[in-house]
Amino acid sequence: RKEVEQDPGPFNVPEGATVAFNCTYSNSASQSFFWYRQDCRKEPKLLMSVYSSGNEDGRFTAQLNRASQYISLLIRDSKLSDSATYLCVVNADNAGNMLTFGGGTRLMVKP
Amino acid sequence: SAVISQKPSRDICQRGTSLTIQCQVDSQVTMMFWYRQQPGQSLTLIATANQGSEATYESGFVIDKFPISRPNLTFSTLTVSNMSPEDSSIYLCSVWGSGETQYFGPGTRLLVL
Repeated sequence: RKEVEQDPGPFNVPEGATVAFNCTYSNSASQSFFWYRQDCRKEPKLLMSVYSSGNEDGRFTAQLNRASQYISLLIRDSKLSDSATYLCVVNADNAGNMLTFGGGTRLMVKP
Repeated sequence: SAVISQKPSRDICQRGTSLTIQCQVDSQVTMMFWYRQQPGQSLTLIATANQGSEATYESGFVIDKFPISRPNLTFSTLTVSNMSPEDSSIYLCSVWGSGETQYFGPGTRLLVL
């Protein structure tokens, strides 16, 4: 079983749609959680951190369920510019170098 | 977040040769990381480079194949040695930033023929 699992997609959605990505992680000791965005031929860039209480940044909402070891990302009112690969990232050790990346979920927003 | 640059941005190399990739950060950092992203795959950590000590390699990666230098707190190099087509990949360096996560350089795209 992979340490961080994501549905690879692609998710093909029309502009304006709401889309949700899920991610599960296997290490119950994981401390910090993030969503990164990676555009084609670019490096991954931090989209948002995921907090236990859930957090929202504009059209993006991230939630964490520690009991189920599950992270989600919700994108509302999708834009063409949201087309990218979204990487779920887990840090099992805040003091060290234990970032583990999911395989990514590809999103394609179409007119 | 730190500003990270990498050289070269891309290269095409012949099998059996070696390529050294440079990573420069605009601030002093204790740890620098080297990742590989193979086509269609996610990121895999190659090694952690600490200034003043040998790099720490992850399972499946060895120093003879991926020697790393860390001469100071703002710079590191990764060499891909004796390349084969299987080494074709994107190589990324990263550093810790605020919020307990990492920030990445723009990557080096390597194609081995």
